[in-house]
Amino acid sequence: AQTVTQSQPEMSVQEAETVTLSCTYDTSESDYYLFWYKQPPSRQMILVIRQEAYKQQNATENRFSVNFQKAAKSFSLKISDSQLGDAAMYFCAYRSPNYGGSQGNLIFGKGTKLSVKP
Amino acid sequence: DGGITQSPKYLFRKEGQNVTLSCEQNLNHDAMYWYRQDPGQGLRLIYYSQIVNDFQKGDIAEGYSVSREKKESFPLTVTSAQKNPTAFYLCASSMEGRGGNIQYFGAGTRLSVL
Repeated sequence: AQTVTQSQPEMSVQEAETVTLSCTYDTSESDYYLFWYKQPPSRQMILVIRQEAYKQQNATENRFSVNFQKAAKSFSLKISDSQLGDAAMYFCAYRSPNYGGSQGNLIFGKGTKLSVKP
Repeated sequence: DGGITQSPKYLFRKEGQNVTLSCEQNLNHDAMYWYRQDPGQGLRLIYYSQIVNDFQKGDIAEGYSVSREKKESFPLTVTSAQKNPTAFYLCASSMEGRGGNIQYFGAGTRLSVL
Protein backbone atom coordinates (compact mmCIF):
# COMPACT_ATOMS: atom_id res chain seq x y z
CA ALA A 1 0.00 0.00 0.00
CA GLN A 2 1.10 3.51 -0.71
CA THR A 3 2.05 5.84 2.12
CA VAL A 4 2.76 9.57 2.30
CA THR A 5 5.02 11.10 4.94
CA GLN A 6 5.37 14.74 5.89
CA SER A 7 8.20 14.92 8.39
CA GLN A 8 7.74 18.57 9.39
CA PRO A 9 4.70 19.05 11.64
CA GLU A 10 5.33 22.81 11.76
CA MET A 11 7.33 25.32 9.77
CA SER A 12 7.81 29.05 9.99
CA VAL A 13 8.88 31.61 7.40
CA GLN A 14 9.41 35.35 7.34
CA GLU A 15 7.17 37.33 5.01
CA ALA A 16 8.72 37.69 1.53
CA GLU A 17 11.14 34.82 2.17
CA THR A 18 11.16 31.34 0.65
CA VAL A 19 10.20 28.13 2.43
CA THR A 20 10.27 24.48 1.38
CA LEU A 21 7.90 21.84 2.73
CA SER A 22 8.97 18.22 2.50
CA CYS A 23 7.00 15.17 1.41
CA THR A 24 8.11 11.62 0.74
CA TYR A 25 6.01 8.72 -0.42
CA ASP A 26 6.28 5.02 -0.86
CA THR A 27 4.90 3.19 -3.89
CA SER A 28 5.73 0.37 -6.25
CA GLU A 29 3.89 2.04 -9.13
CA SER A 30 5.71 3.84 -11.91
CA ASP A 31 2.86 6.09 -12.92
CA TYR A 32 0.94 8.19 -10.41
CA TYR A 33 -0.06 11.71 -9.44
CA LEU A 34 1.02 13.90 -6.57
CA PHE A 35 -0.74 16.92 -5.10
CA TRP A 36 -0.25 19.67 -2.59
CA TYR A 37 -3.39 20.97 -0.90
CA LYS A 38 -3.65 24.02 1.33
CA GLN A 39 -6.06 24.20 4.27
CA PRO A 40 -6.34 27.75 5.66
CA PRO A 41 -8.07 28.53 8.97
CA SER A 42 -11.42 28.37 7.15
CA ARG A 43 -10.60 24.66 6.78
CA GLN A 44 -11.61 24.38 3.13
CA MET A 45 -9.09 22.30 1.19
CA ILE A 46 -7.68 24.15 -1.81
CA LEU A 47 -5.52 22.58 -4.51
CA VAL A 48 -2.15 24.29 -4.75
CA ILE A 49 -0.32 22.26 -7.36
CA ARG A 50 -0.37 18.90 -9.16
CA GLN A 51 2.46 16.79 -10.58
CA GLU A 52 2.21 13.87 -13.00
CA ALA A 53 4.90 11.30 -12.33
CA TYR A 54 5.59 10.62 -16.00
CA LYS A 55 6.49 14.26 -16.56
CA GLN A 56 10.06 15.13 -15.69
CA GLN A 57 9.41 18.84 -15.60
CA ASN A 58 8.57 20.20 -12.17
CA ALA A 59 5.14 21.80 -11.89
CA THR A 60 4.86 25.50 -11.08
CA GLU A 61 1.93 27.74 -10.20
CA ASN A 62 2.90 31.37 -9.71
CA ARG A 63 4.85 31.51 -6.41
CA PHE A 64 4.46 27.78 -5.82
CA SER A 65 6.74 25.17 -7.34
CA VAL A 66 7.69 21.59 -6.63
CA ASN A 67 10.91 19.64 -6.62
CA PHE A 68 9.90 16.19 -7.81
CA GLN A 69 12.58 13.55 -7.38
CA LYS A 70 11.03 10.33 -8.66
CA ALA A 71 13.92 8.02 -7.82
CA ALA A 72 14.07 9.36 -4.29
CA LYS A 73 10.26 9.39 -4.01
CA SER A 74 10.37 12.96 -2.85
CA PHE A 75 7.91 15.77 -3.65
CA SER A 76 8.72 19.02 -1.89
CA LEU A 77 6.79 22.28 -2.21
CA LYS A 78 8.62 25.60 -2.48
CA ILE A 79 6.77 28.81 -1.68
CA SER A 80 8.54 31.93 -2.87
CA ASP A 81 7.91 35.48 -1.67
CA SER A 82 5.80 34.17 1.21
CA GLN A 83 2.70 36.15 2.06
CA LEU A 84 0.63 36.31 5.23
CA GLY A 85 -2.18 34.56 3.34
CA ASP A 86 0.03 31.54 2.82
CA ALA A 87 -0.30 30.63 6.50
CA ALA A 88 -2.17 27.32 6.55
CA MET A 89 -1.89 23.58 6.87
CA TYR A 90 -0.35 22.02 3.79
CA PHE A 91 -1.10 18.45 2.84
CA CYS A 92 0.78 16.28 0.38
CA ALA A 93 -1.32 13.62 -1.38
CA TYR A 94 -0.73 10.65 -3.68
CA ARG A 95 -3.07 9.14 -6.25
CA SER A 96 -2.73 6.04 -8.35
CA PRO A 97 -3.62 6.46 -12.05
CA ASN A 98 -5.89 3.43 -12.05
CA TYR A 99 -9.49 4.54 -11.76
CA GLY A 100 -11.81 2.08 -10.14
CA GLY A 101 -11.69 0.61 -6.70
CA SER A 102 -9.58 2.09 -3.97
CA GLN A 103 -6.66 2.76 -6.32
CA GLY A 104 -8.27 5.97 -7.46
CA ASN A 105 -8.42 7.52 -4.03
CA LEU A 106 -6.17 10.16 -2.53
CA ILE A 107 -3.74 9.17 0.18
CA PHE A 108 -2.84 12.11 2.40
CA GLY A 109 0.11 12.89 4.61
CA LYS A 110 -0.54 14.26 8.08
CA GLY A 111 0.19 17.81 7.10
CA THR A 112 2.62 20.65 7.85
CA LYS A 113 1.43 23.77 9.62
CA LEU A 114 3.04 26.84 8.04
CA SER A 115 3.25 30.11 9.94
CA VAL A 116 4.22 33.35 8.20
CA LYS A 117 5.82 36.07 10.32
CA PRO A 118 5.29 39.71 9.31
CA ASP B 1 -21.36 29.36 -9.16
CA GLY B 2 -20.22 25.76 -9.50
CA GLY B 3 -19.05 24.06 -6.36
CA ILE B 4 -19.62 21.69 -3.49
CA THR B 5 -21.99 22.63 -0.71
CA GLN B 6 -21.85 20.96 2.67
CA SER B 7 -24.45 21.52 5.35
CA PRO B 8 -24.77 22.19 8.14
CA LYS B 9 -21.53 23.90 9.04
CA TYR B 10 -21.85 22.80 12.66
CA LEU B 11 -23.76 19.79 13.95
CA PHE B 12 -24.32 18.37 17.40
CA ARG B 13 -25.21 14.79 18.11
CA LYS B 14 -26.79 13.35 21.21
CA GLU B 15 -25.72 9.94 22.40
CA GLY B 16 -27.55 7.17 20.54
CA GLN B 17 -28.68 9.49 17.78
CA ASN B 18 -28.07 9.17 14.05
CA VAL B 19 -27.21 12.36 12.19
CA THR B 20 -26.90 13.06 8.48
CA LEU B 21 -24.40 15.38 6.82
CA SER B 22 -25.37 16.79 3.46
CA CYS B 23 -23.11 17.12 0.43
CA GLU B 24 -24.33 18.53 -2.88
CA GLN B 25 -22.29 19.34 -6.00
CA ASN B 26 -23.21 21.08 -9.24
CA LEU B 27 -19.95 20.36 -11.02
CA ASN B 28 -21.39 17.37 -12.89
CA HIS B 29 -18.71 15.19 -11.32
CA ASP B 30 -19.14 11.44 -11.34
CA ALA B 31 -17.17 10.60 -8.20
CA MET B 32 -17.80 11.79 -4.67
CA TYR B 33 -15.93 11.16 -1.41
CA TRP B 34 -16.27 11.59 2.34
CA TYR B 35 -13.25 12.21 4.56
CA ARG B 36 -12.84 12.52 8.27
CA GLN B 37 -10.22 14.86 9.71
CA ASP B 38 -8.93 14.60 13.27
CA PRO B 39 -6.16 16.78 14.76
CA GLY B 40 -2.74 15.53 13.71
CA GLN B 41 -4.24 12.75 11.59
CA GLY B 42 -4.65 14.26 8.16
CA LEU B 43 -7.64 13.13 6.11
CA ARG B 44 -8.96 9.59 6.20
CA LEU B 45 -11.39 8.19 3.65
CA ILE B 46 -14.77 7.02 4.95
CA TYR B 47 -16.75 6.18 1.79
CA TYR B 48 -16.57 6.95 -1.90
CA SER B 49 -18.86 6.63 -4.88
CA GLN B 50 -17.86 6.56 -8.53
CA ILE B 51 -21.34 6.37 -10.04
CA VAL B 52 -24.94 6.72 -8.97
CA ASN B 53 -26.33 3.85 -6.89
CA ASP B 54 -22.87 2.49 -6.16
CA PHE B 55 -20.43 3.18 -3.34
CA GLN B 56 -17.51 1.53 -1.58
CA LYS B 57 -16.10 1.57 1.91
CA GLY B 58 -12.95 3.51 2.59
CA ASP B 59 -10.45 3.00 5.38
CA ILE B 60 -12.73 3.92 8.30
CA ALA B 61 -16.30 3.07 7.23
CA GLU B 62 -17.44 1.46 10.49
CA GLY B 63 -20.26 3.43 12.11
CA TYR B 64 -21.05 5.36 8.93
CA SER B 65 -23.45 4.88 6.03
CA VAL B 66 -24.01 6.65 2.72
CA SER B 67 -26.35 6.69 -0.26
CA ARG B 68 -25.96 7.89 -3.83
CA GLU B 69 -29.40 8.14 -5.36
CA LYS B 70 -28.57 11.22 -7.42
CA LYS B 71 -25.39 12.27 -9.15
CA GLU B 72 -25.37 15.60 -7.32
CA SER B 73 -25.88 14.28 -3.80
CA PHE B 74 -23.87 12.04 -1.46
CA PRO B 75 -25.18 12.28 2.12
CA LEU B 76 -23.27 10.74 5.01
CA THR B 77 -25.06 9.33 8.06
CA VAL B 78 -23.12 9.04 11.29
CA THR B 79 -24.84 6.25 13.17
CA SER B 80 -24.99 5.56 16.89
CA ALA B 81 -22.48 2.76 16.26
CA GLN B 82 -19.78 5.38 15.69
CA LYS B 83 -18.51 5.82 19.23
CA ASN B 84 -16.17 8.71 18.58
CA PRO B 85 -17.86 10.89 15.96
CA THR B 86 -16.40 14.24 17.01
CA ALA B 87 -14.37 15.39 14.00
CA PHE B 88 -14.34 17.61 10.94
CA TYR B 89 -15.96 16.01 7.89
CA LEU B 90 -15.05 16.94 4.35
CA CYS B 91 -16.85 16.01 1.15
CA ALA B 92 -15.10 16.04 -2.21
CA SER B 93 -15.89 15.30 -5.84
CA SER B 94 -13.97 14.63 -9.05
CA MET B 95 -14.49 13.74 -12.69
CA GLU B 96 -14.29 10.06 -13.60
CA GLY B 97 -11.67 8.78 -15.94
CA ARG B 98 -8.01 8.03 -16.14
CA GLY B 99 -5.66 10.57 -14.82
CA GLY B 100 -4.89 12.53 -11.75
CA ASN B 101 -8.45 13.68 -11.39
CA ILE B 102 -8.43 16.67 -9.11
CA GLN B 103 -10.65 16.37 -6.08
CA TYR B 104 -12.51 19.53 -5.16
CA PHE B 105 -13.63 19.97 -1.57
CA GLY B 106 -16.54 21.49 0.25
CA ALA B 107 -16.17 23.77 3.27
CA GLY B 108 -16.75 20.95 5.75
CA THR B 109 -19.01 20.12 8.66
CA ARG B 110 -17.83 20.07 12.25
CA LEU B 111 -19.62 17.41 14.25
CA SER B 112 -19.58 17.43 18.04
CA VAL B 113 -21.16 15.18 20.62
CA LEU B 114 -23.37 16.70 23.32
